[in-house]
Amino acid sequence: GEQVEQLPSSLIVQEGASVLINCSYTDSASVYFPWYKQEPGKRLQFIIDIRSNMERKQTQRLTLLFDKKTKHLSLHITATQPGDSAIYFCSASYQGGRALIFGTGTTVSVSP
Amino acid sequence: GGIITQTPKFLIGQEGQKLTLKCQQNFNHDTMYWYRQDSGKGLRLIYYSITENDLQKGDLSEGYDASREKKSSFSLTVTSAQKNEMAVFLCASSIRLGGYEQYFGPGTRLTVL
Repeated sequence: GEQVEQLPSSLIVQEGASVLINCSYTDSASVYFPWYKQEPGKRLQFIIDIRSNMERKQTQRLTLLFDKKTKHLSLHITATQPGDSAIYFCSASYQGGRALIFGTGTTVSVSP
Repeated sequence: GGIITQTPKFLIGQEGQKLTLKCQQNFNHDTMYWYRQDSGKGLRLIYYSITENDLQKGDLSEGYDASREKKSSFSLTVTSAQKNEMAVFLCASSIRLGGYEQYFGPGTRLTVL
């Protein structure tokens, strides 16, 4: 079945710097890729998604890039703030076919 | 807006005990999910339900039962609690299965003594 991997597993950045999180998946039938954020003590929250017919999606300080050939995604967070400290999860699913498969998460710590 | 609530927030049980976790949503979403979150392992799908009275097994369904008697509620039963399944259990819902945002509950932390 589908497997989703994320790298790095954790990182520390200075406030104001940028962050890059990489995600790879195995099943070429996957077409929908949402990302979620889990701040300490809070529930998982949807932050951005992309579908397989797109290469790039941007919202405020988040840019999500998708490469269908290499089955790779990358999430770029610019101008990081303390509120960006969280675990970020990449996920993948088939079109209408089944539920999401999640990656193992990337813990981002933003230091002031 | 809507919300997902999970009860209890903390659940302590004995090894071998049958334990039930509950989830309610008021989004009027068709699909609901149960995930297990272990430290360092992301989220793994236990059960999901496409609509009322439907149940679908996820990758981690062994040792669990689920029930969706109403559209708004989805319960998960640990049939015989084991020490190696201490984790946080997350409930989520989405308008339908597939390419739709999922909304998550706050979680139930299970401790097995």
